[in-house]
Amino acid sequence: GQSLEQPSEVTAVEGAIVQINCTYQTSGFYGLSWYQQHDGGAPTFLSYNALDGLEETGRFSSFLSRSDSYGYLLLQELQMKDSASYFCAVRDRNGAGGSQGNLIFGKGTKLSVKP
Amino acid sequence: GAGVSQTPSNKVTEKGKYVELRCDPISGHTALYWYRQSLGQGPEFLIYFQGTGAADDSGLPNDRFFAVRPEGSVSTLKIQRTERGDSAVYLCASSPGQGRGGTGELFFGEGSRLTVL
Repeated sequence: GQSLEQPSEVTAVEGAIVQINCTYQTSGFYGLSWYQQHDGGAPTFLSYNALDGLEETGRFSSFLSRSDSYGYLLLQELQMKDSASYFCAVRDRNGAGGSQGNLIFGKGTKLSVKP
Repeated sequence: GAGVSQTPSNKVTEKGKYVELRCDPISGHTALYWYRQSLGQGPEFLIYFQGTGAADDSGLPNDRFFAVRPEGSVSTLKIQRTERGDSAVYLCASSPGQGRGGTGELFFGEGSRLTVL
């Protein structure tokens, strides 16, 4: 079967750094993505790792280790607006004809940022 | 340009009724996805279209659920004989479907909240 594991909740204070871990077990692997979702809103794309290493985009960074089936999202200089749920997602196959296939999501980590 | 549009935003129906949920993807996006999300859970994959055809429908829970995309743009998710357990937010997403070299970013709509009484 396929599974993605991430902590259900994390709490941190404004200005701090927080790391959200994700481990996965899938039949295939074609990249790890992270999405942010505010309460009542749509998930929005944050980052994507296809290869091992760190990808940095402003205050957010994402890391992948394919040999460990593990990745994390690092959020720096936390702001109140970062309070949201964060989902890791794995593309476990490539679709037919060069298309990109589907995306399997974890259950999400609810981040609460306190003043 | 416009994002992914889903209608209705809210639908309340009675057990046993038939419902249709519509998704209008971003213009030019060839890939379209349907997900279902319950409170406190991650999006659960239902079906994925590449163009007009369903490339992967392995997530559809049973034969009461069906989705079409006849012209490769708008898609409709159809649920027959609704049950209380079908209550959830149904999310649609689209993607350029650019192949294996891209990030595969999905652009989500705001969802259709279905409540089955």
